[in-house]
This record gives sequence, C-alpha cells and structure tokens, in this order.
Amino acid sequence: KAGVTQTPRYLIKTRGQQVTLSCSPISGHRSVSWYQQTPGQGLQFLFEYFSETQRNKGNFPGRFSGRQFSNSRSEMNVSTLELGDSALYLCASSVPRNSLTDTQYFGPGTRLTVL
Amino acid sequence: DQQVKQNSPSLSVQEGRISILNCDYTNSMFDYFLWYKKYPAEGPTFLISISSIKDKNEDGRFTVFLNKSAKHLSLHIVPSQPGDSAVYFCAASEENAGNMLTFGGGTRLMVKP
Repeated sequence: KAGVTQTPRYLIKTRGQQVTLSCSPISGHRSVSWYQQTPGQGLQFLFEYFSETQRNKGNFPGRFSGRQFSNSRSEMNVSTLELGDSALYLCASSVPRNSLTDTQYFGPGTRLTVL
Repeated sequence: DQQVKQNSPSLSVQEGRISILNCDYTNSMFDYFLWYKKYPAEGPTFLISISSIKDKNEDGRFTVFLNKSAKHLSLHIVPSQPGDSAVYFCAASEENAGNMLTFGGGTRLMVKP
C-alpha cells in the first residue's frame, strides 16, 4: 500500500506571498491531519479534516487554513507568509479514530522556506 | 504549557545495550500514547503505541511501558542497534480530540557501534 504523499517536497517563498501544500493520504484513510515542525516549537498540530470537514484546530492564526476533498486528499494554505512560517509541514493520515488503536501515518513533509 | 515532555534531549548508548527513552505528561485526559522515530527532513515513522487500559506493549525489540499514576511512559529498545540512531518523539491523544496528537520535544538517540 502506498504511503502518505506530500507535494511539493521543497518550496521557497518570500514574505507576504501565499502558499498551498498538498497531501494524499493512504488509500482508505479518511482523516488527514497537518502538523508544523520548527526547531523552536517542535511538532505542533495545525488541524484535522475528516469527510471534508475540519474536526479539530490547533492554536495557529487564521492565515493557516485547509480543506479536504471528497477523495480525502487535503490541501493547506498559508497566506501572507512570515519568516516564522519557515518549517517542515507534515501531513498524517489515519482511519477516523473510533478505537484506541488507530494510528496516524506521516508523509515525508514539505520543507517551506520563507525569505 | 507543555503537556508532553521529554526531559532528555539526547541519549547515547552502546550497541547491544538497552536504550530507555522517557516521556512525562500532565493531561489526565490522554488515553492513547505513541512513539515515533524521525530522521532529518523526513516524516515521523510510527514505532509502537499503547492505550491507557494497558501498562505494557511489546513489538519485537521495542517495548513501551505506561505508568498512569505517575503520568509517565518509557520506550525500551533491546538490543540497541546503530540503525536506531534517530530522534524519538512520544505523542499522546485524547479520546474526544479526534486524531490530534500532542508531541513531546523529542530525544536524540545515538547508538555507538
């Protein structure tokens, strides 16, 4: 079974621009979550989508948004980029959590650099 | 407020010996715990998990122990191998928080040949 894929793998943008990142979950997985990893803050939860609906949201400003399509693929968007948005953005997929054994599987991430 | 903490930023172990990575949490609503292994510029790789109804779970060389009263979990790797050298993250989730994971800061494990 193919793993979680994320595109692009690397991205360079300048301050003020906006960016869209894409994630394709493992086949059959309907929940997609996004995380940001930075040296200072570690791995932080951004949001989770299930059945095209945002189910949870982390403590990030409204410049960070996302969506999920009917095929479970997800995109996240960051508008008005700031230098501090430079990070590794990770996508994880899982079946929706309805037991104590569901596990999230991560993609390789998109490395965003904001200049 | 860090709800999940890994107090040791790094750990060095000799090949063949046991590696013990520790994790503490403060949120009593956490009921599912996971360990991930991560290499630079890659996504975390799932290793092993444990639910709050258990106190131990084993998978090959990896064993996770959960002490709910102490709000503490640990990952034991026996025997340690050089290929185990990576950053290890513990993560936790609440039953009513969907798939949101709260991660610790990570412990860099170095296994010396």
